[in-house]
Amino acid sequence: NAGVMQNPRHLVRRRGQEARLRCSPMKGHSHVYWYRQLPEEGLKFMVYLQKENIIDESGMPKERFSAEFPKEGPSILRIQQVVRGDSAAYFCASSPSVGETQYFGPGTRLLVL
Amino acid sequence: QKEVEQNSGPLSVPEGAIASLNCTYSDRVSQSFFWYRQYSGKSPELIMSIYSNGDKEDGRFTAQLNKASQYVSLLIRDSQPSDSATYLCAVPEKAGNNRKLIWGLGTSLAVNP
Repeated sequence: NAGVMQNPRHLVRRRGQEARLRCSPMKGHSHVYWYRQLPEEGLKFMVYLQKENIIDESGMPKERFSAEFPKEGPSILRIQQVVRGDSAAYFCASSPSVGETQYFGPGTRLLVL
Repeated sequence: QKEVEQNSGPLSVPEGAIASLNCTYSDRVSQSFFWYRQYSGKSPELIMSIYSNGDKEDGRFTAQLNKASQYVSLLIRDSQPSDSATYLCAVPEKAGNNRKLIWGLGTSLAVNP
C-alpha cells in the first residue's frame, strides 16, 4: 500500500513564476492537509480539504495561494507569483477521516530564486 | 490561539540512556496529543498518540499525559543513535476535532554512541 505521494520532490522557481505542488493521498484516505515548514521553524497548518471541498483554509495566505482536491486526481497547492519568502518545505498529509491520524508525504522543497 | 511549547534542545544523551522530551500546551480542553519524529530533511512520522491521562507504552517509547498540568512527555528507553532526530508535539486546535493540528517547534535529540 503506497504511502502519501508528493511531486515534485524539489522545485526551483524564479520570482514571479507559478509553483504547482501535487499530493496523492494514501489509498482509502479522503482527507488531505497541507503544511508549510520554513527553515528552523515549526510546521504550520495551511489548508484541509476533502474531495471537491475546502473545509478549512484558515492557515493559508489570502493572496497568491490556492488549493484544490478534485474528484479525480491529486490535490494541488498552487502558489502564484512566487516570492523568495515562499521558499520552504511543503508537506501534505492524509487521513481516512477527520479525527484519524495524519500520515505525511515526503514533501516538496520549493526554492525561489 | 492555542500554543504548544517544547524545549528546542539540543538534548544530548548517551547511547542506552533514557531520553525525556516534554511538551506543554496552553489550554485545558485538549483531548488528543501526538508525537512525531522528523529526521533532518525528511517528513514527520507518527511515533505515538495519547488520549487519556497516564502512560501509554509502545516498545521503547512511552508517552505520559497529565491534563491537569497541561503537559505531555515522551520517554525513549535504551536510546539508540538512530533515535537522533527532532521530535514534534502536536495538539488539535479544537477539542474533538483533529483536522487542524498546532505544532510545537520540536526538540532536537542527539544520541551519542
